[in-house]
Amino acid sequence: AAGVIQSPRHLIKEKRETATLKCYPIPRHDTVYWYQQGPGQDPQFLISFYEKMQSDKGSIPDRFSAQQFSDYHSELNMSSLELGDSALYFCASSLTSMVDEQFFGPGTRLTVL
Amino acid sequence: GQSLEQPSEVTAVEGAIVQINCTYQTSGFYGLSWYQQHDGGAPTFLSYNALDGLEETGRFSSFLSRSDSYGYLLLQELQMKDSASYFCAVKDYGQNFVFGPGTRLSVLP
Repeated sequence: AAGVIQSPRHLIKEKRETATLKCYPIPRHDTVYWYQQGPGQDPQFLISFYEKMQSDKGSIPDRFSAQQFSDYHSELNMSSLELGDSALYFCASSLTSMVDEQFFGPGTRLTVL
Repeated sequence: GQSLEQPSEVTAVEGAIVQINCTYQTSGFYGLSWYQQHDGGAPTFLSYNALDGLEETGRFSSFLSRSDSYGYLLLQELQMKDSASYFCAVKDYGQNFVFGPGTRLSVLP
């Protein structure tokens, strides 16, 4: 069965650089979520999109932005990277925004040096 | 806002039954979910309780009592592969998804 695809799987950046993470949801899933998970921490909800429109917003820093495109893939853009942004970034998708079951991708491990 | 509490660690032996509790302080939420996460892996959905009561899915069961602000995940016939972190999570009426701090389950032979 198709799963959520995230790219890249690993990313190393310097402070103050920018990064773009990509997420390809499961086919026919119209809702995408982004999470940030630090070492030993629980996933922190950043933002979600339903039918290409931002639906909910969590603890996403102003330096970050995201969008969902016509093919339902989503990108998380991160600027002015800080050391504290080093974390695992998960994308998840669900069949609709009203369905609670989220399918998580393998994550992108971002390291900021 | 939401505040979810879980025990940080639980240890049990193969074949045993273990219960992971989740207590919460909330102004309102749609339902309580449970996710499993192995080290280095992605969270995977286990169960969801929209209403009070018990939901059973194979060896895993989940329970919710809104009046007691309490839920739990019950794992039966424990296997070594069940060693992982378990998170409870809610979507609150403010449309935020909140995960609990996670419980690390260690299953011993």
